[in-house]
Amino acid sequence: AQKITQTQPGMFVQEKEAVTLDCTYDTSDPSYGLFWYKQPSSGEMIFLIYQGSYDQQNATEGRYSLNFQKARKSANLVISASQLGDSAMYFCAMRGRTSYGKLTFGQGTILTVHP
Amino acid sequence: ETGVTQTPRHLVMGMTNKKSLKCEQHLGHNAMYWYKQSAKKPLELMFVYSLEERVENNSVPSRFSPECPNSSHLFLHLHTLQPEDSALYLCASSRGLAGEATGELFFGEGSRLTVL
Repeated sequence: AQKITQTQPGMFVQEKEAVTLDCTYDTSDPSYGLFWYKQPSSGEMIFLIYQGSYDQQNATEGRYSLNFQKARKSANLVISASQLGDSAMYFCAMRGRTSYGKLTFGQGTILTVHP
Repeated sequence: ETGVTQTPRHLVMGMTNKKSLKCEQHLGHNAMYWYKQSAKKPLELMFVYSLEERVENNSVPSRFSPECPNSSHLFLHLHTLQPEDSALYLCASSRGLAGEATGELFFGEGSRLTVL
């Protein structure tokens, strides 16, 4: 079984500052992938970043980086230089090698960026 | 234009109605998914299709009936729903199902369903 925990229901950040969204996971799969998605009010889930469990380096995509600490089973998302358009719900998700492509999602964190 | 398109975006139906949600992906992917997003709950996987064959059914009530006529289209047929079925239904697609070949899931904007 897989489980994703996001303990921050809501986060606030000032525009242009960095923010970290927490994610911890639990799985018995030896190989897995971790994902972050953004869901604006329009409803669409937008893929942000991916980290493989055997990747040696933390994933980065533009202003997004994933702070992967395998021993702690954490995969926190760091957004640098926050923008007003970053205000949205953010979901952490994982997929095990044997889970037929399906993602297990956390409860999500609502991020609000203040001007 | 998004790679995954869902229609209708909003649907209101009574408990005795029959309706369908439609999903179309323009990405050439081989796997498609239905997820349910209820308020204050994590997204729940409902169905997974690979090359038009259902590979997973997550104990979903029979009042939800999926159909995948080809690798680009996925339907969710709805009948005799309950008010607790009101939710955002999200369709997604991926390149494949197995391992790294899966890639990320691409989602549509969802169909907001209200059951009266």
